[in-house]
Amino acid sequence: GESVGLHLPTLSVQEGDNSIINCAYSNSASDYFIWYKQESGKGPQFIIDIRSNMDKRQGQRVTVLLNKTVKHLSLQIAATQPGDSAVYFCAENRGRSGYSTLTFGKGTMLLVSP
Amino acid sequence: DADVTQTPRNRITKTGKRIMLECSQTKGHDRMYWYRQDPGLGLRLIYYSFDVKDINKGEISDGYSVSRQAQAKFSLSLESAIPNQTALYFCATSDFKGELFFGEGSRLTVL
Repeated sequence: GESVGLHLPTLSVQEGDNSIINCAYSNSASDYFIWYKQESGKGPQFIIDIRSNMDKRQGQRVTVLLNKTVKHLSLQIAATQPGDSAVYFCAENRGRSGYSTLTFGKGTMLLVSP
Repeated sequence: DADVTQTPRNRITKTGKRIMLECSQTKGHDRMYWYRQDPGLGLRLIYYSFDVKDINKGEISDGYSVSRQAQAKFSLSLESAIPNQTALYFCATSDFKGELFFGEGSRLTVL
């Protein structure tokens, strides 16, 4: 129900630690995945994306891993900083190729302590 | 200036009132979207438009309507607002590759 949905999964880490945020997706036909970061009071912002023909992609301090066998996506943040505190959403595309829309997970809150 | 601009940013209204949320973009994208965000439920797609003459229902379109007035403008209407439409609404744009660019959100409260 609505009250259960209010409680986001939360990951609490210390500054400098590495963080891993996980996401299970549902559609085996999805071929494009994105991680978004949403800070309080702001719209979601793109972090990194990956296509299904890859299993790993690296950006600046972030890495996305894709395991198509178990339909699992993860976001790794190296040397986590207080500014990384936010809600993180994974998203998968669904629908006809070229005309698909993104479907979002429910999000994970990352809390970074100094 | 923001690439995707939403107005109003905050609105409080009463049950039964008609409300319009407006979105404009300067990214030159053909595709525009309206999402709704509720605490702990993520973002859910209300309506989307792949070009000026195209309108599609999303996951939760009941109680909403949209208008694509131009490539750069996409508005969301609640014809008769009800309290369970209280939420944070986001407009977004994308090119054909699919990455979404979001506005800052419009917080709507229906009393």
